[in-house]
Amino acid sequence: QVQLVESGGGVVQPGGSLRLSCATSGFTFGNYGMHWVRQAPGKGLEWVALIWYDGSSQYYADSVKGRFTVSRDHSKNTFNLQMNSLRVDDTAVYFCARDPTLFGELSYYFDFWGQGIPVTVSS
Amino acid sequence: ETVMTQSPATLSVFPGEGATLSCRASHSVNRNLAWYQQKPGQAPRLLIYDASTRATGIPARFSGSGSATHFTLTITNLQSEDVALYYCQQYNTWPPLTFGGGTRVEIK
Repeated sequence: QVQLVESGGGVVQPGGSLRLSCATSGFTFGNYGMHWVRQAPGKGLEWVALIWYDGSSQYYADSVKGRFTVSRDHSKNTFNLQMNSLRVDDTAVYFCARDPTLFGELSYYFDFWGQGIPVTVSS
Repeated sequence: ETVMTQSPATLSVFPGEGATLSCRASHSVNRNLAWYQQKPGQAPRLLIYDASTRATGIPARFSGSGSATHFTLTITNLQSEDVALYYCQQYNTWPPLTFGGGTRVEIK
């Protein structure tokens, strides 16, 4: 079955960096686009970034553009989020999620989600 | 950016009754709308996509309808396990992909 498991979260000071990883299994990773979605404490869901199945395109929310970078490693079936210049308002649980479309243009919704990993930005 | 607005914020329903959740878009999103269920401490689960298509394994008591700017998620015969937060998400115009603020469904 499809499994997504996030790692790499933790506590970091403002201005610091973290790298999140999403380990995938149960499907052919290289055939699917992937997304990061976050949820601040007690708040709703906010889409963060996406990457196409082949890594050829990435898109970001304005709130993270220029600070966050998504990448994927097809040899390890992992999907990553490099977060730099972290701010207090980046504090959230970060979910990796799969886009359901096989190859080609993404569907832009999310059919499988990881359990999430907390990131706390605090001095 | 397409702003999604959900109402009501909280819905209290007797077991076995129905619940109707509303989602409105600031611009037409055609039928490019999904619904998710999120239980406390869990990841969201896809319920509905393309406004009215149930995702794999979703019970028939969940149904979606609507188009353009107004959408509805209907839960019939509410069960205790349906207590959760429900979010709508548009994927017609991006970036960004945007979610509504959520509706909490409670058992009365």
